[in-house]
Amino acid sequence: AQKITQTQPGMFVQEKEAVTLDCTYDTSDPSYGLFWYKQPSSGEMIFLIYQGSYDQQNATEGRYSLNFQKARKSANLVISASQLGDSAMYFCAMREALNTGFQKLVFGTGTRLLVSP
Amino acid sequence: DAGVTQSPTHLIKTRGQQVTLRCSPKSGHDTVSWYQQALGQGPQFIFQYYEEEERQRGNFPDRFSGHQFPNYSSELNVNALWLGDSALYLCASSLGTGLESETQYFGPGTRLLVL
Repeated sequence: AQKITQTQPGMFVQEKEAVTLDCTYDTSDPSYGLFWYKQPSSGEMIFLIYQGSYDQQNATEGRYSLNFQKARKSANLVISASQLGDSAMYFCAMREALNTGFQKLVFGTGTRLLVSP
Repeated sequence: DAGVTQSPTHLIKTRGQQVTLRCSPKSGHDTVSWYQQALGQGPQFIFQYYEEEERQRGNFPDRFSGHQFPNYSSELNVNALWLGDSALYLCASSLGTGLESETQYFGPGTRLLVL
């Protein structure tokens, strides 16, 4: 079974600084996908960034980048130039292929990020 | 472009009652997945619907059932509620391409409290 581990329950960062949120994964599948979602206090899970296991380059989306180290099975999220609105829970998730041909997401326990002025 | 919508936003029920949660997928999406998120935890997969059929199910009892309609909207039903069912229920929609890059987009969730 696939597993996602997020070891940082909480992180603090000052506005305009960069922050790295850790994520390690475990899978025996040669092909997989990794996702990061942001969950504000409102509850909605907001898709941030995706990394495929065969992608040669690290994914980037605006201020978000994914530091993908396949050999270490890590997929850390880097947020540059933090903003107050970045304060939220952040979840790392892995796509798990199902025997039906469909897929589900397996989530970690999340990291709460607090951005201070 | 309408995103995923869910109703109601909040719900309070008592033990033993039944509840129905509703979800409308993002425009153009045909696959709906349901997740349960207990307080302080990551979401857990309940089941997934495609072409009006349940395609896969997570480790949830039969008290949890669902339905998908021809317009791709979906319902989650929970019977015989117990305290442990209190959680945020998230609906996610996607396009059933089967590609590993296929992204699930989530709705705002329904917060269920069972007393």
